[in-house]
Amino acid sequence: AQKVTQAQTEISVVEKEDVTLDCVYETRDTTYYLFWYKQPPSGELVFLIRRNSFDEQNEISGRYSWNFQKSTSSFNFTITASQVVDSAVYFCALTLGGGSNYKLTFGKGTLLTVNP
Amino acid sequence: SAVISQKPSRDICQRGTSLTIQCQVDSQVTMMFWYRQQPGQSLTLIATANQGSEATYESGFVIDKFPISRPNLTFSTLTVSNMSPEDSSIYLCSVGTGVGYTFGSGTRLTVV
Repeated sequence: AQKVTQAQTEISVVEKEDVTLDCVYETRDTTYYLFWYKQPPSGELVFLIRRNSFDEQNEISGRYSWNFQKSTSSFNFTITASQVVDSAVYFCALTLGGGSNYKLTFGKGTLLTVNP
Repeated sequence: SAVISQKPSRDICQRGTSLTIQCQVDSQVTMMFWYRQQPGQSLTLIATANQGSEATYESGFVIDKFPISRPNLTFSTLTVSNMSPEDSSIYLCSVGTGVGYTFGSGTRLTVV
């Protein structure tokens, strides 16, 4: 069975600080996908990124960047120059296979609070 | 990517009653997933609904408590039956897309 661990329950930073959210996963499968989702206080889930197990390239999208390391089974998420609007719960998730017919296994989430 | 319309967005229900949640997708999808998010917790999969067959339930969830309907490739319902305060949660449906998974906006259920 697969498992996703987000050890940081809550993080509080001051605006403009950089912050890294950790994600460690477990699976015996060689083909899998990793995701990050944002859940703002309004409750909807916002898709941020998907990364497949064969692509270890780091990704950058604006102030967001992701570091995928298979050697340590980690898929960490960094927000550069954080803003108040980044305050949300962030979930890391894992699914197996190559399609979209597999369930997502979520970590427990990290509550990020960015203070002005 | 797919767009999901989920209804109702929230409800307050009396214990012992049932609530049916609907999800309508703007495109045909094979699988639909139903998740529960208890207050302050992560998302837990309730069941996977495939059109034309019985839903597949995760450990700890049973059909009598959470019956699911999947009449076609764009629609599904989840019923929360014989509710108790412990059923107070956010319920979300989800479908897979070419890029990832899209979620409905959620149903915030409070049982009193």
